[in-house]
Amino acid sequence: DGGITQSPKYLFRKEGQNVTLSCEQNLNHDAMYWYRQDPGQGLRLIYYSQIVNDFQKGDIAEGYSVSREKKESFPLTVTSAQKNPTAFYLCASSPRTGGEKLFFGSGTQLSVL
Amino acid sequence: AQSVAQPEDQVNVAEGNPLTVKCTYSVSGNPYLFWYVQYPNRGLQFLLKYITGDNLVKGSYGFEAEFNKSQTSFHLKKPSALVSDSALYFCAVRDGGSWGKLQFGAGTQVVVTP
Repeated sequence: DGGITQSPKYLFRKEGQNVTLSCEQNLNHDAMYWYRQDPGQGLRLIYYSQIVNDFQKGDIAEGYSVSREKKESFPLTVTSAQKNPTAFYLCASSPRTGGEKLFFGSGTQLSVL
Repeated sequence: AQSVAQPEDQVNVAEGNPLTVKCTYSVSGNPYLFWYVQYPNRGLQFLLKYITGDNLVKGSYGFEAEFNKSQTSFHLKKPSALVSDSALYFCAVRDGGSWGKLQFGAGTQVVVTP
């Protein structure tokens, strides 16, 4: 069953703690993305990667870090520098061909304890 | 710079009536336009896109959208709404001259009542 898998579904962070959100895809897509969703604000781009071992900052990258060591994996780390991390995080992927649609995972809800 | 606006936070419609969700955009080059739908606690699902060609685009679940270049709009429509269409709808735009970054609107909550 092809698609994007995000885990965990729910995650809780203690103050000062770094947490990592997992995103795995088996669609053989080159490009992967991380979005943050807050109520009433739509989706905001955190980081994106067009190819393995390369990634670019999006609109709200501060307090976040990513890696792209494998084509199928694009984990997001929410660091302690992110002071307002409570949000719904969405991972997406797309073929790197232009004009293509994004395929989204089911999301991770991150909350602060 | 690219931007997209969805002027309505919520649209209420009775089942069986026509549904319209509004979207306007701004890009410097040719627009690539998309509509996505989100059900509670889920990721977004693609509905339809406009890249080039016919201004009326047909998509999934009976939805369609009309590209209007002069009004810079890309409104989503469905002739007869279903209760199951109740969800959060997002319009998105990308400048066709650049790759990667898709700009999403704030979303419009659609509520279809029986």
